[in-house]
Amino acid sequence: GQNIDQPTEMTATEGAIVQINCTYQTSGFNGLFWYQQHAGEAPTFLSYNVLDGLEEKGRFSSFLSRSKGYSYLLLKELQMKDSASYLCAVMDSNYQLIWGAGTKLIIKP
Amino acid sequence: NAGVTQTPKFRVLKTGQSMTLLCAQDMNHEYMYWYRQDPGMGLRLIHYSVGEGTTAKGEVPDGYNVSRLKKQNFLLGLESAAPSQTSVYFCASSTGTSGFSGANVLTFGAGSRLTVL
Repeated sequence: GQNIDQPTEMTATEGAIVQINCTYQTSGFNGLFWYQQHAGEAPTFLSYNVLDGLEEKGRFSSFLSRSKGYSYLLLKELQMKDSASYLCAVMDSNYQLIWGAGTKLIIKP
Repeated sequence: NAGVTQTPKFRVLKTGQSMTLLCAQDMNHEYMYWYRQDPGMGLRLIHYSVGEGTTAKGEVPDGYNVSRLKKQNFLLGLESAAPSQTSVYFCASSTGTSGFSGANVLTFGAGSRLTVL
């Protein structure tokens, strides 16, 4: 079966750095997405990786290793507004998105 | 630009009642999707559409029907609601799936919270 694993919850301090991991086992691979979802709101797109390596976008970076079935989202200079759930999703060989359950990130002052 | 608009935002149904969720997008996207989100689980695809007049089953289609009569609208129907259909429903749209130039990025609506008693 297809599976996406990510930690259920993480806690970090304002101003610090946090890394949210995602491991996957899917039928084929056509890219990995990270979305941010604030409580009670819609998911919004953060990043996309299809090749190995690091993609940087401001305070957020996303890394992919296809051989290891592994990705992480790195958030720097954490702000209180970064408190949200972070969803990892993989597009399989049929171009269907497989979603992880999400990681709830709690930022403490 | 409104993006993706879902109505209603909240609804309480009794078991056996029927209802329709409406999704409208103004981005001229070809692809539209209906997902459900339950605690502790990833988003699960119910049905999707790759263009006006087309629909296809997703991962959890049982108990739901959809229609895409106009490109901008995608309706999700529950013919006989069950407590297991209590969930938050998200509609999303995208330009398509051929490669990436923003084509695979989903734009979501704000969600519809449905409770079936």
